Amino acid sequence: EAGVTQFPSHSVIEKGQTVTLRCDPISGHDNLYWYRRVMGKEIKFLLHFVKESKQDESGMPNNRFLAERTGGTYSTLKVQPAELEDSGVYFCASSPLGGSGYNEQFFGPGTRLTVL
Amino acid sequence: GESVGLHLPTLSVQEGDNSIINCAYSNSASDYFIWYKQESGKGPQFIIDIRSNMDKRQGQRVTVLLNKTVKHLSLQIAATQPGDSAVYFCAEKGTGFQKLVFGTGTRLLVSP
Repeated sequence: EAGVTQFPSHSVIEKGQTVTLRCDPISGHDNLYWYRRVMGKEIKFLLHFVKESKQDESGMPNNRFLAERTGGTYSTLKVQPAELEDSGVYFCASSPLGGSGYNEQFFGPGTRLTVL
Repeated sequence: GESVGLHLPTLSVQEGDNSIINCAYSNSASDYFIWYKQESGKGPQFIIDIRSNMDKRQGQRVTVLLNKTVKHLSLQIAATQPGDSAVYFCAEKGTGFQKLVFGTGTRLLVSP
C-alpha cells in the first residue's frame, strides 16, 4: 500500500511568489494534517482536515497560508505571497477516522521550501 | 502555552549499547505520548506510543516510560544499532484533540 506522498520534494522560490504544495494521503484516511519544521526547530502543527472540512486550523500562521481539501482526497497548501520566514520543511500526515483515542499519524517525506 | 522539550540535542553511543532519550512535557491534559523517528530525507516514522494512564510500554527493542509526577517521558532503545541513527521526536496529543505537539528533537548517533 502506498504511503503518504507529497509534491514537490523541493521548491525554491523568490520572496513574494506563490507556491502550492500537494499532499496525497493514504487511501481511505479521512484525517489529514499539515505540519512544518522551520529553522531546524520543532515540528509544528498547522491544520487538520476531517474529510473536506477543516477541523482545526489553529496552527496556521497567517492569512498568507491557504489549505484546501476539495472532495476529501488530496490536499493543497498554498503560500501567497511567500516570505523568507516561510522556509522550512512542510509535512503532511494522515490517519484513519476513529474514536477519541490516538490514531497513528503516517507522515509523508515532506516538501522542503526555500524562499530567497 | 503547551510545549514538549528535549534535554539533549545529540546523543552518541556505541553499537550494542542501550540508548535513553529523554523528553519533558508541560501539558498535563495530554492523553497520549508518542515517539517518532526521522531519518534523513524522510518524514517522521511512528515508533511507539503510550497512553497517559500507563507508566511503561514495551515494543520491539524499545521501551517508553512515562512519569506524570515530573512530566517526563523517555525512550529506551536496547542494543542500539547503526540503523537506529536518526533524529527522535517526542510528541503529545491533547485530550479531545488530534493534533500533535512535538519536541525539538534529539539526534542519535550510533558508532560501529
